[in-house]
Amino acid sequence: AQSVTQPDIHITVSEGASLELRCNYSYGATPYLFWYVQSPGQGLQLLLKYFSGDTLVQGIKGFEAEFKRSQSSFNLRKPSVHWSDAAEYFCAVGASGTYKYIFGTGTRLKVLA
Amino acid sequence: EAQVTQNPRYLITVTGKKLTVTCSQNMNHEYMSWYRQDPGLGLRQIYYSMNVEVTDKGDVPEGYKVSRKEKRNFPLILESPSPNQTSLYFCASQPTESRGELFFGEGSRLTVL
Repeated sequence: AQSVTQPDIHITVSEGASLELRCNYSYGATPYLFWYVQSPGQGLQLLLKYFSGDTLVQGIKGFEAEFKRSQSSFNLRKPSVHWSDAAEYFCAVGASGTYKYIFGTGTRLKVLA
Repeated sequence: EAQVTQNPRYLITVTGKKLTVTCSQNMNHEYMSWYRQDPGLGLRQIYYSMNVEVTDKGDVPEGYKVSRKEKRNFPLILESPSPNQTSLYFCASQPTESRGELFFGEGSRLTVL
């Protein structure tokens, strides 16, 4: 069965520092992988997605993620965090051929000025 | 403006009183879905619809009904709400040609007393 694990519930970083949010997945074949961001009181917005090809994918707002098959990971990174990045981040996996998506439990990011 | 609109945004109701949360999208998307978000559990898919008159269960369909009579609308029906259905609900749509790029509504916070 598919599953997604985000091991960090909360992360706090200082503005300008680098960021890495962890995501591990379980899926038998090559999954479709996604990162979404949820700002307070808002719905989720897609940051980036991986289907195939280059394992380093670029997204919006300066985010990137790297797919590592050997580690079953899809970690989200940003070289320099801005205060406006404070939000909750969700990793998700989708099975090819279906429209079912499994979301992780989320990581809440706090940014210190 | 492309958007997914949910109503109501906030609702407090009592056990057993039928309610409907409406969802409408103006992007002509075939795929629509409902999720519930609970602390520590992330987003869990309730139902999804591939197109008009085509719906299927997600991971937590018990206690919910859906219908898809028009492409733009996908209401979520709680026939007899119970306190364990207190949650934050999100509707999402997706174009067939862009797998995984879910467009979310702003959410409907439901409290069942």
